[in-house]
Amino acid sequence: KAGVTQTPRYLIKTRGQQVTLSCSPISGHRSVSWYQQTPGQGLQFLFEYFSETQRNKGNFPGRFSGRQFSNSRSEMNVSTLELGDSALYLCASSLSGGVYGYTFGSGTRLTVV
Amino acid sequence: DAKTTQPTSMDCAEGRAANLPCNHSTISGNEYVYWYRQIHSQGPQYIIHGLKNNETNEMASLIITEDRKSSTLILPHATLRDTAVYYCIVRVEFSNYGQNFVFGPGTRLSVLP
Repeated sequence: KAGVTQTPRYLIKTRGQQVTLSCSPISGHRSVSWYQQTPGQGLQFLFEYFSETQRNKGNFPGRFSGRQFSNSRSEMNVSTLELGDSALYLCASSLSGGVYGYTFGSGTRLTVV
Repeated sequence: DAKTTQPTSMDCAEGRAANLPCNHSTISGNEYVYWYRQIHSQGPQYIIHGLKNNETNEMASLIITEDRKSSTLILPHATLRDTAVYYCIVRVEFSNYGQNFVFGPGTRLSVLP
């Protein structure tokens, strides 16, 4: 079966711009989580969505937001980009919240210049 | 903060067993031990998880001590493709309020030819 698909794979944006990243979970998976990975901070949890509702949120500023659609696809948005937002953004899906672990996508590498 | 501590790095000879330790002395009774690994530039990959009994699957074995304060991930016959960062995480298996994985820095395993 198809895995978790994240688009785009690479992205370059300028400071102050906004960006939208997309994640298509494995068919049938209703939970989608987002993580940010940087060399300095490692993997950090952004938020989790389940059945179109945000169920959990990490410690990130309000510039980071997300949503989930009725088909479980999810998007995350970062507004007013800063240089420090340069990172690998990973999406993970699971059936109901990680009972058998999450399946991660390959990520979107965002570079802010 | 991550509730686990792991060695920063380890080496293993190809074909030998790789034993990766993890300490989780503050684990709660309803928290599971999960292991993931991340090969360079890819998303983390689920390996195995367990509560208190030893677990084995096609990828690895998980040995949890009787007091559950530590565990060991065993890759029985390490190959060069097992070179990755291995993360040990403790988390409740499921929660209606959503749960996220708190990733620490992990152990960088290098399998040497």
